[in-house]
Amino acid sequence: GEDVEQSLFLSVREGDSSVINCTYTDSSSTYLYWYKQEPGAGLQLLTYIFSNMDMKQDQRLTVLLNKKDKHLSLRIADTQTGDSAIYFCAESNTWQLTFGKGTKLSVIP
Amino acid sequence: GAVVSQHPSWVICKSGTSVKIECRSLDFQATTMFWYRQFPKQSLMLMATSNEGSKATYEQGVEKDKFLINHASLTLSTLTVTSAHPEDSSFYICSARDHRSGSNQPQHFGDGTRLSIL
Repeated sequence: GEDVEQSLFLSVREGDSSVINCTYTDSSSTYLYWYKQEPGAGLQLLTYIFSNMDMKQDQRLTVLLNKKDKHLSLRIADTQTGDSAIYFCAESNTWQLTFGKGTKLSVIP
Repeated sequence: GAVVSQHPSWVICKSGTSVKIECRSLDFQATTMFWYRQFPKQSLMLMATSNEGSKATYEQGVEKDKFLINHASLTLSTLTVTSAHPEDSSFYICSARDHRSGSNQPQHFGDGTRLSIL
C-alpha cells in the first residue's frame, strides 16, 4: 500500500523555526495535508496543498512541496510553546487519507 | 467553520457493555464520515467509511458486527462498540467531509473519544 514517512521527534528552542519533513510514495497524490494533535485531543487541520503547487504560506506556516522527490515540509516560524504537539502529514488521491506516524514537536522555553 | 463534535469525550465501562459514540457536523453537511482508531503514540488507523443513507465500508480486519456504524443523517454518524472488552480500549476519532463542495475539501476531525474498558 501507499506509505507516508515522518521523523518521530523534533526539538526546537522557543522563537526558532521548526521544520517538519514528510515523504510519501503515492505519485498520484492530489492533496497533501498537515494536521496538529494536542494531547488527548482530535486532529486539527493546519493547512493543505494541492499537488500542482510547490509552496503555500499561511501566517507562521509555510508548506513546501517537491513533487518530483515526493517530499513535503512544514515550517513553523517563531515557534511557541503552544506549538508543542504531534504533527501528522497525510496524503490523498481520492477521499481517503493516508497518515504518517506523526512527528512530536517539543518546544524548549 | 467546519466544526465536528464528538461525544462523549471519555468513557469508562465494564467489560461486556455496549458503548455508542456520536459524531456530528455542526455547520456543514457531512456526506461522508470516517471512523479512526488510534493506539498510544501511533498514527490513525481507518476503521470504516460511511456515506449518508448507505451501509458503511469497513477496512480489512475490522469486525463489522463488533463496530456498528450508522450514518442516518447528513449531520450525524454513530459508532457502537458492541460487547466491549479491554482490548477495545483505545482512542476513537471521527472525521467528516462534504464531497459535494468539491474534491478538494479536507476531512475535519472531532476531538476524539477515549474508551476504557475495565
